[in-house]
Amino acid sequence: QKEVEQDPGPLSVPEGAIVSLNCTYSNSAFQYFMWYRQYSRKGPELLMYTYSSGNKEDGRFTAQVDKSSKYISLFIRDSQPSDSATYLCAMSAGGNNRLAFGKGNQVVVIP
Amino acid sequence: GAVVSQHPSWVICKSGTSVKIECRSLDFQATTMFWYRQFPKQSLMLMATSNEGSKATYEQGVEKDKFLINHASLTLSTLTVTSAHPEDSSFYICSARVFKKTSGGETTDTQYFGPGTRLTVL
Repeated sequence: QKEVEQDPGPLSVPEGAIVSLNCTYSNSAFQYFMWYRQYSRKGPELLMYTYSSGNKEDGRFTAQVDKSSKYISLFIRDSQPSDSATYLCAMSAGGNNRLAFGKGNQVVVIP
Repeated sequence: GAVVSQHPSWVICKSGTSVKIECRSLDFQATTMFWYRQFPKQSLMLMATSNEGSKATYEQGVEKDKFLINHASLTLSTLTVTSAHPEDSSFYICSARVFKKTSGGETTDTQYFGPGTRLTVL
């Protein structure tokens, strides 16, 4: 079993729809959770960061972490064509532990 | 957020030459930086962890003599691809670790990525 599982998609939605992305993980030591957005031929951009369990909202983006289920989610409300990108989940246990990444989920928002 | 730059953004070189890629943290000090490579439509693959003032730690299967990493200061890490070959053509991305504790007790342990360097070896 991989440390982090993420369905690579692709996921196509009409403009204005809600995009729902998720990752599952197996390492119960993970406590730092991130979502990155990566446009084609660019480096990943940190989108959302959550420490331990809970929800975090930033504008149209909401990140949720459920440590009991080892499940994290990212929701994008009122999706825009500019949201078309690959979204990577990442997590770590902290200390000197490196980030464990999901494979990335390609999202296409159709105007 | 923290800003990480990379230089060059793209490079084309002949087979057998060496290429150096620089990664800089612009507005913060990074004791730890990471180097990744990414093939088209694939996720990031960690190559090595670079710690300021010490030798880099390479992932299994990554040749340390081919991919030389130097972390000379708290704001600069370099990756040199020695004797590059066409199979080394890839997208190389660095990141810098940011770890801090807020006065409220929350900790942040994350990575900020550079914009990447596209290497093409002819």
